[in-house]
Amino acid sequence: AQKITQTQPGMFVQEKEAVTLDCTYDTSDPSYGLFWYKQPSSGEMIFLIYQGSYDQQNATEGRYSLNFQKARKSANLVISASQLGDSAMYFCAMREVNTGGFKTIFGAGTRLFVKA
Amino acid sequence: DGGITQSPKYLFRKEGQNVTLSCEQNLNHDAMYWYRQDPGQGLRLIYYSQIVNDFQKGDIAEGYSVSREKKESFPLTVTSAQKNPTAFYLCASSPRTAQGSNEQFFGPGTRLTVL
Repeated sequence: AQKITQTQPGMFVQEKEAVTLDCTYDTSDPSYGLFWYKQPSSGEMIFLIYQGSYDQQNATEGRYSLNFQKARKSANLVISASQLGDSAMYFCAMREVNTGGFKTIFGAGTRLFVKA
Repeated sequence: DGGITQSPKYLFRKEGQNVTLSCEQNLNHDAMYWYRQDPGQGLRLIYYSQIVNDFQKGDIAEGYSVSREKKESFPLTVTSAQKNPTAFYLCASSPRTAQGSNEQFFGPGTRLTVL
């Protein structure tokens, strides 16, 4: 069963504006980690941000922040002040610590287009 | 510099041939992974290894085989039994701890095309 859902196949944002990429997940494991990765057209996967299930505060890393709503099982990525270089595929991922071992499950991704 | 290398970057294979994709890391990570990515889709786990001489099947292991004889190396063989092997293959590694926060580090990928 798919456990990570990214409902936006593609998103457009104007340069310098903020954009939110949606991610919902499903798990019965109380201990899990949520990740966001960026994949430019070159293909490599770049780690952006991490949120633990027990973290009280939303994670932030520079222009990236994670809007973590545990009760809704959502972990949306917010990119502030978009730049042309932000155009890429973005993947949400989850690792279940107790039941998943070292497996990380990825969503289908959202392609972000930043317009000049 | 520490990182993960995959070779070759592009690989062409004739139908019916086995082919081996290389993955090497010098990050001293215990765990290593192989993913397959089809156009416009997310990553699917093929195999993963938590420690040398041990590995487990992922979600789409049929038609693939791996070995983990050294900590640094985790080669993937795409066999002739894999019906649709044309895809982008990504190797990754991570520390082997119980912490959920250990992100995976990825190699640059190998694009395999079956002619």
